Amino acid sequence: QVQLAQSGAEVKKPGASVKVSCKASGYSFTSHYMHWVRQAPGQGLEWMGVINPSGDSTNYAQKFQGRVTMTRDTSTSTDYMEVTSLRSEDTAVYYCARDFSGYFGEKAGWWFDPWGQGTLVTVSS
Amino acid sequence: SSELTQDPAVSVALGQTVRITCQGDSLRNYCASWYQQKPGQAPILVIYGENNRPSGIPDRFSGSSSGNTASLTITGAQAEDEADYYCNSRDSSGGRWVFGGGTKLTVL
Repeated sequence: QVQLAQSGAEVKKPGASVKVSCKASGYSFTSHYMHWVRQAPGQGLEWMGVINPSGDSTNYAQKFQGRVTMTRDTSTSTDYMEVTSLRSEDTAVYYCARDFSGYFGEKAGWWFDPWGQGTLVTVSS
Repeated sequence: SSELTQDPAVSVALGQTVRITCQGDSLRNYCASWYQQKPGQAPILVIYGENNRPSGIPDRFSGSSSGNTASLTITGAQAEDEADYYCNSRDSSGGRWVFGGGTKLTVL
Protein backbone atom coordinates (compact mmCIF):
# COMPACT_ATOMS: atom_id res chain seq x y z
CA GLN A 1 0.00 0.00 0.00
CA VAL A 2 1.02 3.62 -0.48
CA GLN A 3 2.94 4.96 2.50
CA LEU A 4 4.90 8.05 3.42
CA ALA A 5 7.16 7.37 6.40
CA GLN A 6 8.68 10.44 8.03
CA SER A 7 11.70 10.75 10.27
CA GLY A 8 11.41 11.05 14.03
CA ALA A 9 10.91 14.01 16.32
CA GLU A 10 13.65 16.61 16.65
CA VAL A 11 14.59 19.13 19.31
CA LYS A 12 16.69 22.05 18.12
CA LYS A 13 18.06 25.27 19.55
CA PRO A 14 17.22 28.64 18.03
CA GLY A 15 19.44 29.40 15.07
CA ALA A 16 20.03 25.75 14.23
CA SER A 17 18.78 23.82 11.19
CA VAL A 18 16.63 20.73 10.88
CA LYS A 19 16.20 18.28 8.01
CA VAL A 20 13.09 16.11 7.90
CA SER A 21 12.82 13.09 5.61
CA CYS A 22 9.82 11.48 3.95
CA LYS A 23 10.33 8.00 2.46
CA ALA A 24 7.73 6.93 -0.08
CA SER A 25 6.70 3.37 -0.90
CA GLY A 26 3.98 1.55 -2.80
CA TYR A 27 3.83 3.81 -5.86
CA SER A 28 5.94 5.30 -8.63
CA PHE A 29 7.88 7.98 -6.75
CA THR A 30 8.92 9.90 -9.85
CA SER A 31 5.33 10.26 -11.06
CA HIS A 32 4.21 12.64 -8.34
CA TYR A 33 5.04 16.02 -6.84
CA MET A 34 5.40 16.17 -3.05
CA HIS A 35 4.11 18.96 -0.82
CA TRP A 36 5.20 19.95 2.66
CA VAL A 37 2.72 21.35 5.18
CA ARG A 38 3.25 22.37 8.77
CA GLN A 39 0.99 22.82 11.79
CA ALA A 40 1.99 24.82 14.85
CA PRO A 41 0.53 23.69 18.20
CA GLY A 42 -3.21 24.43 18.29
CA GLN A 43 -3.09 26.10 14.88
CA GLY A 44 -4.22 25.32 11.35
CA LEU A 45 -2.44 23.80 8.38
CA GLU A 46 0.11 25.94 6.56
CA TRP A 47 1.38 25.09 3.07
CA MET A 48 5.16 25.41 2.83
CA GLY A 49 6.12 24.32 -0.66
CA VAL A 50 6.31 21.60 -3.30
CA ILE A 51 9.00 19.72 -5.20
CA ASN A 52 8.57 18.32 -8.71
CA PRO A 53 8.86 14.62 -9.61
CA SER A 54 12.43 14.79 -10.90
CA GLY A 55 13.55 16.95 -7.97
CA ASP A 56 14.96 19.78 -10.07
CA SER A 57 12.26 22.36 -9.41
CA THR A 58 10.69 23.71 -6.24
CA ASN A 59 8.03 26.26 -5.37
CA TYR A 60 8.00 27.72 -1.87
CA ALA A 61 5.49 29.83 0.00
CA GLN A 62 6.78 33.38 0.09
CA LYS A 63 7.02 33.22 3.87
CA PHE A 64 9.63 30.46 3.67
CA GLN A 65 11.71 31.69 0.72
CA GLY A 66 15.39 31.66 1.61
CA ARG A 67 14.96 29.58 4.75
CA VAL A 68 13.49 26.32 3.44
CA THR A 69 15.03 23.89 0.97
CA MET A 70 13.25 20.86 -0.43
CA THR A 71 15.25 18.12 -2.13
CA ARG A 72 14.63 14.67 -3.49
CA ASP A 73 16.68 11.49 -3.77
CA THR A 74 15.01 9.41 -6.46
CA SER A 75 17.38 6.48 -5.83
CA THR A 76 15.86 5.97 -2.38
CA SER A 77 12.38 7.43 -3.02
CA THR A 78 12.97 9.94 -0.27
CA ASP A 79 12.11 13.63 -0.03
CA TYR A 80 13.80 16.02 2.35
CA MET A 81 12.77 19.37 3.78
CA GLU A 82 15.35 21.52 5.55
CA VAL A 83 14.58 24.63 7.58
CA THR A 84 17.47 26.89 8.61
CA SER A 85 17.77 29.68 11.19
CA LEU A 86 15.14 28.06 13.38
CA ARG A 87 13.15 30.16 15.80
CA SER A 88 10.58 29.28 18.43
CA GLU A 89 7.74 30.02 15.97
CA ASP A 90 8.96 27.10 13.83
CA THR A 91 7.89 24.67 16.54
CA ALA A 92 5.34 22.57 14.66
CA VAL A 93 4.45 19.21 13.20
CA TYR A 94 5.76 18.98 9.65
CA TYR A 95 3.95 16.77 7.12
CA CYS A 96 4.75 15.56 3.63
CA ALA A 97 1.84 14.81 1.30
CA ARG A 98 1.68 13.32 -2.20
CA ASP A 99 0.22 15.50 -4.93
CA PHE A 100 -2.52 14.62 -7.40
CA SER A 101 -4.11 16.86 -10.01
CA GLY A 102 -6.87 16.72 -12.57
CA TYR A 103 -9.55 18.62 -14.46
CA PHE A 104 -13.16 18.65 -13.37
CA GLY A 105 -15.29 20.36 -15.98
CA GLU A 106 -13.52 23.62 -16.71
CA LYS A 107 -11.63 23.78 -13.42
CA ALA A 108 -8.30 22.30 -12.45
CA GLY A 109 -7.95 20.75 -9.04
CA TRP A 110 -5.15 19.45 -6.83
CA TRP A 111 -5.31 17.23 -3.80
CA PHE A 112 -2.95 15.69 -1.25
CA ASP A 113 -3.15 11.97 -0.54
CA PRO A 114 -1.80 10.33 1.49
CA TRP A 115 -0.01 12.32 4.17
CA GLY A 116 2.98 11.24 6.20
CA GLN A 117 2.49 10.65 9.90
CA GLY A 118 4.11 13.99 10.75
CA THR A 119 7.38 14.99 12.38
CA LEU A 120 7.37 17.17 15.49
CA VAL A 121 10.12 19.76 15.47
CA THR A 122 10.57 21.60 18.76
CA VAL A 123 12.71 24.74 18.84
CA SER A 124 13.75 25.65 22.34
CA SER A 125 16.75 27.03 24.12
CA SER B 1 -4.33 35.84 6.92
CA SER B 2 -5.60 33.06 4.67
CA GLU B 3 -6.94 33.58 1.15
CA LEU B 4 -9.52 30.90 1.96
CA THR B 5 -11.99 31.73 4.71
CA GLN B 6 -13.76 29.16 6.88
CA ASP B 7 -16.01 29.53 9.91
CA PRO B 8 -13.93 28.62 12.98
CA ALA B 9 -16.55 26.34 14.53
CA VAL B 10 -19.78 24.60 13.57
CA SER B 11 -21.98 22.20 15.51
CA VAL B 12 -24.53 19.63 14.39
CA ALA B 13 -26.91 17.30 16.18
CA LEU B 14 -26.22 13.60 15.77
CA GLY B 15 -27.82 12.33 12.56
CA GLN B 16 -28.49 15.79 11.15
CA THR B 17 -26.95 17.51 8.13
CA VAL B 18 -24.19 20.10 8.33
CA ARG B 19 -22.51 22.26 5.71
CA ILE B 20 -19.00 23.63 6.11
CA THR B 21 -18.07 26.43 3.75
CA CYS B 22 -14.84 27.82 2.30
CA GLN B 23 -14.73 31.22 0.57
CA GLY B 24 -12.04 32.66 -1.67
CA ASP B 25 -11.58 34.30 -5.04
CA SER B 26 -9.37 31.47 -6.29
CA LEU B 27 -12.31 29.07 -5.98
CA ARG B 28 -13.86 30.68 -9.06
CA ASN B 29 -10.99 29.19 -11.07
CA TYR B 30 -9.77 26.17 -9.12
CA CYS B 31 -11.40 23.24 -7.38
CA ALA B 32 -11.21 22.84 -3.62
CA SER B 33 -10.15 19.72 -1.75
CA TRP B 34 -11.20 18.93 1.81
CA TYR B 35 -9.32 17.28 4.67
CA GLN B 36 -10.45 15.84 7.98
CA GLN B 37 -8.09 15.94 10.94
CA LYS B 38 -8.70 14.35 14.31
CA PRO B 39 -6.61 15.24 17.39
CA GLY B 40 -3.10 13.88 17.22
CA GLN B 41 -3.55 12.48 13.72
CA ALA B 42 -2.42 13.47 10.24
CA PRO B 43 -5.07 14.95 7.94
CA ILE B 44 -6.90 12.65 5.55
CA LEU B 45 -8.48 13.54 2.24
CA VAL B 46 -12.30 13.39 2.23
CA ILE B 47 -13.27 15.29 -0.96
CA TYR B 48 -11.34 16.25 -4.09
CA GLY B 49 -12.28 17.84 -7.40
CA GLU B 50 -15.12 19.51 -5.50
CA ASN B 51 -17.32 16.41 -5.27
CA ASN B 52 -15.25 13.24 -5.49
CA ARG B 53 -14.72 10.89 -2.56
CA PRO B 54 -11.60 8.74 -2.18
CA SER B 55 -12.21 5.08 -1.55
CA GLY B 56 -13.04 4.42 2.07
CA ILE B 57 -14.73 7.75 2.70
CA PRO B 58 -18.43 7.29 3.60
CA ASP B 59 -20.98 8.56 1.11
CA ARG B 60 -22.47 10.88 3.73
CA PHE B 61 -19.59 13.23 2.76
CA SER B 62 -20.20 15.33 -0.35
CA GLY B 63 -18.87 18.53 -1.87
CA SER B 64 -20.19 21.34 -4.01
CA SER B 65 -19.17 24.72 -5.34
CA SER B 66 -20.81 27.96 -6.42
CA GLY B 67 -19.02 31.13 -7.38
CA ASN B 68 -16.30 31.82 -4.82
CA THR B 69 -17.60 29.32 -2.27
CA ALA B 70 -16.89 25.62 -1.87
CA SER B 71 -18.90 23.52 0.58
CA LEU B 72 -18.46 20.23 2.36
CA THR B 73 -21.74 18.62 3.44
CA ILE B 74 -22.12 15.76 5.89
CA THR B 75 -25.57 14.19 5.60
CA GLY B 76 -26.44 12.31 8.77
CA ALA B 77 -23.45 13.32 10.89
CA GLN B 78 -21.97 10.63 13.11
CA ALA B 79 -20.05 10.98 16.35
CA GLU B 80 -16.87 9.91 14.56
CA ASP B 81 -17.18 12.89 12.20
CA GLU B 82 -16.24 15.26 15.02
CA ALA B 83 -12.95 16.73 13.81
CA ASP B 84 -11.29 19.76 12.24
CA TYR B 85 -11.95 20.25 8.53
CA TYR B 86 -9.70 22.19 6.16
CA CYS B 87 -10.22 23.29 2.58
CA ASN B 88 -7.33 23.75 0.17
CA SER B 89 -6.84 25.20 -3.30
CA ARG B 90 -4.38 27.14 -5.40
CA ASP B 91 -4.01 30.78 -4.41
CA SER B 92 -5.42 33.69 -6.42
CA SER B 93 -2.29 34.00 -8.55
CA GLY B 94 -2.29 30.29 -9.25
CA GLY B 95 1.33 30.01 -8.20
CA ARG B 96 1.04 28.44 -4.80
CA TRP B 97 -1.38 26.57 -2.58
CA VAL B 98 -3.30 27.75 0.46
CA PHE B 99 -5.38 26.22 3.25
CA GLY B 100 -8.43 27.68 4.88
CA GLY B 101 -8.15 28.41 8.58
CA GLY B 102 -10.09 25.27 9.46
CA THR B 103 -13.52 24.54 10.93
CA LYS B 104 -13.94 22.63 14.18
CA LEU B 105 -17.02 20.42 13.86
CA THR B 106 -18.77 19.37 17.06
CA VAL B 107 -21.38 16.60 16.90
CA LEU B 108 -23.89 17.07 19.71
